[in-house]
Amino acid sequence: AQSVTQLGSHVSVSEGALVLLRCNYSSSVPPYLFWYVQYPNQGLQLLLKYTTGATLVKGINGFEAEFKKSETSFHLTKPSAHMSDAAEYFCAVSDRWGGADGLTFGKGTHLIIQP
Amino acid sequence: EPEVTQTPSHQVTQMGQEVILRCVPISNHLYFYWYRQILGQKVEFLVSFYNNEISEKSEIFDDQFSVERPDGSNFTLKIRSTKLEDSAMYFCASSWGIPGPPGTEAFFGQGTRLTVV
Repeated sequence: AQSVTQLGSHVSVSEGALVLLRCNYSSSVPPYLFWYVQYPNQGLQLLLKYTTGATLVKGINGFEAEFKKSETSFHLTKPSAHMSDAAEYFCAVSDRWGGADGLTFGKGTHLIIQP
Repeated sequence: EPEVTQTPSHQVTQMGQEVILRCVPISNHLYFYWYRQILGQKVEFLVSFYNNEISEKSEIFDDQFSVERPDGSNFTLKIRSTKLEDSAMYFCASSWGIPGPPGTEAFFGQGTRLTVV
């Protein structure tokens, strides 16, 4: 079974600073990896995804993530934080190779942006 | 842009009552899902639905839960006799295929917050 670990339930950065949200996964098969963002009172919105090919993937709102197989990681970064980035961020892995339909999510990281 | 819509946004119900949570998936999608998020915890998979039947369900999805696609557009989650521990945010999602390859991403609704009192 797949699992996802997000280090840090809360991350606080200053506006303009680098954002780094960590995600590690366990998988016995090539993973499909996703980052979703949840703004207050809204649903989950897909930020970016890794399927195959280029290990550095770019998403919406200036976010990117790098798939590192040797580290089983898929950390999310943004060079310069903006106040509007304050939200809950979820890393997820697809279980399809294990025969499962659904996504396995991490516990989420709440990103706080300090002015 | 197409989106998944859920109603109601918030529902309060008494323990033991039946509730129906409603979702309208994206029209050309083939897979439909329910997930839940208990406050402060991770988003958990409940059930997937494909070709008018349950494709997969988690151990959370016991006999108290059922899903239905009654009219080809709506997708509902019914909880027969709610318990306090059913209080959570319930997310509906849909996708064209099982999430993985490009074009099969799951799109989520804004959620229904269920409070059981």
